[in-house]
Formats: sequence, C-alpha cells, structure tokens
Amino acid sequence: NAGVIQTPRHKVTGKGQEATLWCEPISGHSAVFWYRQTIVQGLEFLTYFRNQAPIDDSGMPKERFSAQMPNQSHSTLKIQSTQPQDSAVYLCASSFPGLGGYEQYFGPGTRLTVL
Amino acid sequence: QEKVQQSPESLIVPEGAMVSLNCSFSDSASQSIWWYQQHPGKGPKALISIFSNGNKKEGRLTVYLNRASLHVSLHIKDSQPSDSAVYLCAVSSTNAYKVIFGKGTHLHVLP
Repeated sequence: NAGVIQTPRHKVTGKGQEATLWCEPISGHSAVFWYRQTIVQGLEFLTYFRNQAPIDDSGMPKERFSAQMPNQSHSTLKIQSTQPQDSAVYLCASSFPGLGGYEQYFGPGTRLTVL
Repeated sequence: QEKVQQSPESLIVPEGAMVSLNCSFSDSASQSIWWYQQHPGKGPKALISIFSNGNKKEGRLTVYLNRASLHVSLHIKDSQPSDSAVYLCAVSSTNAYKVIFGKGTHLHVLP
C-alpha cells in the first residue's frame, strides 16, 4: 500500500497562471478530502467527496478553485489565475468511514508557490 | 463554526520527559476528537482518537476528554527525539466527516 499519492510535490507558477494538483487516494477508501495548509491559517478544509460525488465544497474559494473526482482512483484540484496568496501546501486525504469516525490518511502534499 | 485552540504553541523537553499537550474546542456536540502528528515535509498522521468522556491509552500515548469543559489533552510518556513534530488536535463536527484542525503544538525532544 503506497498510501495517498500526490503529484507534483512542488509546483511554481507565475501570477495569473493555472495550477492543477493531482491526488490518488488509497484503494477502497470512499471519502476524499482536500485541505490547504499555511503557517498563518493552519490546516483549512477545502472540499470533500464521498464515492466520487461532491458533498461539501464550503471551504473552496468559489471564483478560482474547482475540484473534481472523475473516478475512484484520482481527484484533481484546479486553481485558475493563481495569486501569491494561493501559495500554500495543498494536502489530499482519504478515509474509509467507520464507527470511530473518519480517520484520515494524508498524502505528502503539493507545495504551490505563486511568484 | 467550531473553533479549536491548542496550547502551548511550542514545547522543548529533554528525552524521557512526560509531554502534555492541550486542546480546547467550542462545540459540545462535537463528535470524535483526533490527534495527528506531522513531521516536516510530510502529511499529518493519525495517532489516537477519543469520543467518550474519560481517557484512552495506547502505548506511550494517553488522551483525556472532558466534554463539560470542552477540553482534551494528549500525554506522551517517555518522550523520544523521534517524537519531535507538530501535533494537531482535530475535532469532527456534527457532520462527522468535517474536521476542524487546531494550529498545532511544535514539540522538540532534545536527546
């Protein structure tokens, strides 16, 4: 089990460019989450998929951020017209909901730097 | 919205010390509380969770939950240099999937 895979590990974009981040969840996990982590804000919830369906995107900045899960083996987070304030580590997590709640298994993250 | 506050922000202890980390939350209807460990350059890793009032012990870790005071603590016995990491308290809301994270405690265990 390779765990949650995120690619690329590092991405540098210029202001106004588009960035697409990829996540491959653990096989068999039905829940997929995206988070953003910065020193100032900490770990912030962005969006959640259950069995590939979008359930909650309340943390997503609506104008430029979008997430999809076209199949059970991968999810993407796309940021259009990137801005310097989008610089952060973006973390993907997957989970198999159980009686104890949602233990989340995180990937290593993608560090996005917007120049 | 649920608020999660952690203290202290950072902690330096000698190897072998008992470590105590604190977390307060705002919603008494919160469901499970999780503690995650995050090493530099890695994603958080779940350590231990608790739902019911009282305590739970797993190896060197003990977690105490007091729902009346909206407080949970994590205690690490016989700390090791490899325990040096950021510890995140995570509280799940009434929507069990949605987890709010505290900003973490940076722990340094000196050899």
